[in-house]
Amino acid sequence: DQQVKQNSPSLSVQEGRISILNCDYTNSMFDYFLWYKKYPAEGPTFLISISSIKDKNEDGRFTVFLNKSAKHLSLHIVPSQPGDSAVYFCAASARANYGGSQGNLIFGKGTKLSVKP
Amino acid sequence: ETGVTQTPRHLVMGMTNKKSLKCEQHLGHNAMYWYKQSAKKPLELMFVYSLEERVENNSVPSRFSPECPNSSHLFLHLHTLQPEDSALYLCASSQDRRTTNEKLFFGSGTQLSVL
Repeated sequence: DQQVKQNSPSLSVQEGRISILNCDYTNSMFDYFLWYKKYPAEGPTFLISISSIKDKNEDGRFTVFLNKSAKHLSLHIVPSQPGDSAVYFCAASARANYGGSQGNLIFGKGTKLSVKP
Repeated sequence: ETGVTQTPRHLVMGMTNKKSLKCEQHLGHNAMYWYKQSAKKPLELMFVYSLEERVENNSVPSRFSPECPNSSHLFLHLHTLQPEDSALYLCASSQDRRTTNEKLFFGSGTQLSVL
């Protein structure tokens, strides 16, 4: 059973517009969330994170929003650029020792973003 | 460049072969990980090492055998694999295993094909 879900396998956006990538989670013990970006033939690289004590974290063009009651987070990219085209993974972890997996990052399947010039 | 280097980048092996994947991190981190990424599946955690001690083994078949000789190096020894083991194998490291606010630094991965 997937604890972190990215229901959109792909997203296409025009350059300059906003990209919104969504992520849902089922485990209420998760208290830290991250987004990773992956280009072809490369490993994932960390992009931005948010703690459960916050509902928003911003870093340049990237903003992550967290809605704990809905168990939902989203990544906003504004403005989108062709270089943002990549696969974006949502990940979550729990501070408590949940199921013996304390601190382990649980990943979603990823969303492939294509930004068209 | 993430500071985590994996070799080889690509590997094709038969089911009776024995091969090893290598990972080296230059970040001074204390924890290292093996992840598996199969097509259309989330990244799956396989093994975790903290200060050279294996702290987690996520029900991985014994045909995968990890080795961590020191905090900078991690190996994944492969033998008698099955075609369904074909996947991208990613190594990662983090500063410390003991907190949840740990960012992982990934290598570029080894794309493995088992024939």
